[in-house]
Amino acid sequence: SQTIHQWPATLVQPVGSPLSLECTVEGTSNPNLYWYRQAAGRGLQLLFYSVGIGQISSEVPQNLSASRPQDRQFILSSKKLLLSDSGFYLCASPGGGSTDTQYFGPGTRLTVL
Amino acid sequence: AQTVTQSQPEMSVQEAETVTLSCTYDTSESDYYLFWYKQPPSRQMILVIRQEAYKQQNATENRFSVNFQKAAKSFSLKISDSQLGDAAMYFCVLSGSRLTFGEGTQLTVNP
Repeated sequence: SQTIHQWPATLVQPVGSPLSLECTVEGTSNPNLYWYRQAAGRGLQLLFYSVGIGQISSEVPQNLSASRPQDRQFILSSKKLLLSDSGFYLCASPGGGSTDTQYFGPGTRLTVL
Repeated sequence: AQTVTQSQPEMSVQEAETVTLSCTYDTSESDYYLFWYKQPPSRQMILVIRQEAYKQQNATENRFSVNFQKAAKSFSLKISDSQLGDAAMYFCVLSGSRLTFGEGTQLTVNP
């Protein structure tokens, strides 16, 4: 079975600073990978997804970007954070048995001050 | 466009009792999946149960079961013998071309 790791668990950053959140997946090869953002107490919004190395699809135009430098690594970045970037960021990937069922990492709580 | 509606922002249940969480959805796709995810205070998103739209039989997972009404586009979650550990935010999720989340139902379990 696969395991999804996210780093860091929490982050407090000033407005205008850069951002790099990391997601790594163990136990599977060539997974589809997803970045979601969750505002406080609400549902998830899909930000980016990737079907392979260097292949990124953006769902929502915004201040963020994503990259996939390795098969099992997915990076969420920003050059200059905005207050509105605060939230809970979740990385997800389908399980091995079904491409429709997504499993989530533990998440990163980002606070922009 | 896909939509998922959870009309109950909050629900409460007594320990050992049964509670049903409601969900309706809309999609133009014929092949899709429906899920209930649970998010406890740790905020880890945990899969509770999964239903394939082409299956008429309702999915069950131990104390969790669904009532899937495809024509009515309804997908409710029943939790039997509620436990304190069931307290969480529950999200109804539709998977077609992409995942679409409802806004969630906060479930409180009273001892």
